[in-house]
Amino acid sequence: EPEVTQTPSHQVTQMGQEVILRCVPISNHLYFYWYRQILGQKVEFLVSFYNNEISEKSEIFDDQFSVERPDGSNFTLKIRSTKLEDSAMYFCASNHESGENQPQHFGDGTRLSIL
Amino acid sequence: GQQLNQSPQSMFIQEGEDVSMNCTSSSIFNTWLWYKQDPGEGPVLLIALYKAGELTSNGRLTAQFGITRKDSFLNISASIPSDVGIYFCAGRMEYGNKLVFGAGTILRVKS
Repeated sequence: EPEVTQTPSHQVTQMGQEVILRCVPISNHLYFYWYRQILGQKVEFLVSFYNNEISEKSEIFDDQFSVERPDGSNFTLKIRSTKLEDSAMYFCASNHESGENQPQHFGDGTRLSIL
Repeated sequence: GQQLNQSPQSMFIQEGEDVSMNCTSSSIFNTWLWYKQDPGEGPVLLIALYKAGELTSNGRLTAQFGITRKDSFLNISASIPSDVGIYFCAGRMEYGNKLVFGAGTILRVKS
């Protein structure tokens, strides 16, 4: 069964450094998302992306965050200058081109640790 | 913002017992989803519900989309050790595609 894949599985970065998290969504999906989960807390929406632009973003997704679909398969989340509080699991998700009534499928996440 | 209240927070049950958990909200949702998360992994979709009143089963799992569109429950019958994990409800509102998640129910099963 096709799945969402994320790399790396664990990223350790010094505070203030830039980090890029990578995702390969399911191949025929056109709606893409990033969520994050701080340790022991619930999953929180960051951003949704469709047709090469952001369609919705949360308050968490400030100017330090950006997303990009650089080619036909990858979907990336960049954090420009990481802070300690950015430490979390980051999950990529995607759903089918029709969007509505199509469940989002999640990758296994990237654990981001900011030192 | 939209909030989902999920309960119970955790359950420790005997193998073979049935389990029930639910989510409620003051907001109306168009879609309810139930996910299971194992340690170190992402949420895995269990059941998706798209219509008010809809009752859907997936093996030993049954979930319902509340008539008011503000709640949903998940039942697991005859629990087994591999049911251990964290169960999340998630809702999608009428406009937009983002999911709002509940805080999760930690399920432990003793054999």
